[in-house]
Amino acid sequence: SAVISQKPSRDICQRGTSLTIQCQVDSQVTMMFWYRQQPGQSLTLIATANQGSEATYESGFVIDKFPISRPNLTFSTLTVSNMSPEDSSIYLCSAYDRQGGGGYTFGSGTRLTVV
Amino acid sequence: AQSVSQHNHHVILSEAASLELGCNYSYGGTVNLFWYVQYPGQHLQLLLKYFSGDPLVKGIKGFEAEFIKSKFSFNLRKPSVQWSDTAEYFCAVMPKAAGNKLTFGGGTRVLVKP
Repeated sequence: SAVISQKPSRDICQRGTSLTIQCQVDSQVTMMFWYRQQPGQSLTLIATANQGSEATYESGFVIDKFPISRPNLTFSTLTVSNMSPEDSSIYLCSAYDRQGGGGYTFGSGTRLTVV
Repeated sequence: AQSVSQHNHHVILSEAASLELGCNYSYGGTVNLFWYVQYPGQHLQLLLKYFSGDPLVKGIKGFEAEFIKSKFSFNLRKPSVQWSDTAEYFCAVMPKAAGNKLTFGGGTRVLVKP
């Protein structure tokens, strides 16, 4: 199955700044997704990153706050913009691995703390 | 609203005990179903998945799950747990009409005492 490398693994950021998280997949995948896992909670889908088109955002998430890039079939970035302490969370990318049997592979996550 | 429910937030049991984690979903159409595990400090790993066919699915590490369509359930089981099964377990559902998007349950933290 596909393997995802995600970085940074963790960061501590100042309020008002932005952080870009990168995910690299070791094979071409059609669909990539970005999730947020707030402390003690489950995973919430932020958006679907589509290659060659704009990302599709879920209710409650907007492009200005979480811009996403998907320049090719193996790479995607998520930026958390104008951060506040409420953005402190774990952010994960995922890829739909059709060739790997139709499951989903997850990156190792980025633990973000905003101070 | 469509959702995925995991009945237990925390489970504590001793080694060799049997484990069953409940998962119910509210989607009316055809779904693909997953169980993921997150060991302490590690990323999500797929335990097993159900797409079609035999509703009793066997996964890694001795886990299995049974899809009961009439009950909208996909419960996870392991006959005899080990200390190394201490982790958080997530049920996830992908409605086939939802563009390959996964919806996760709230997770169940399992602590296995040695």
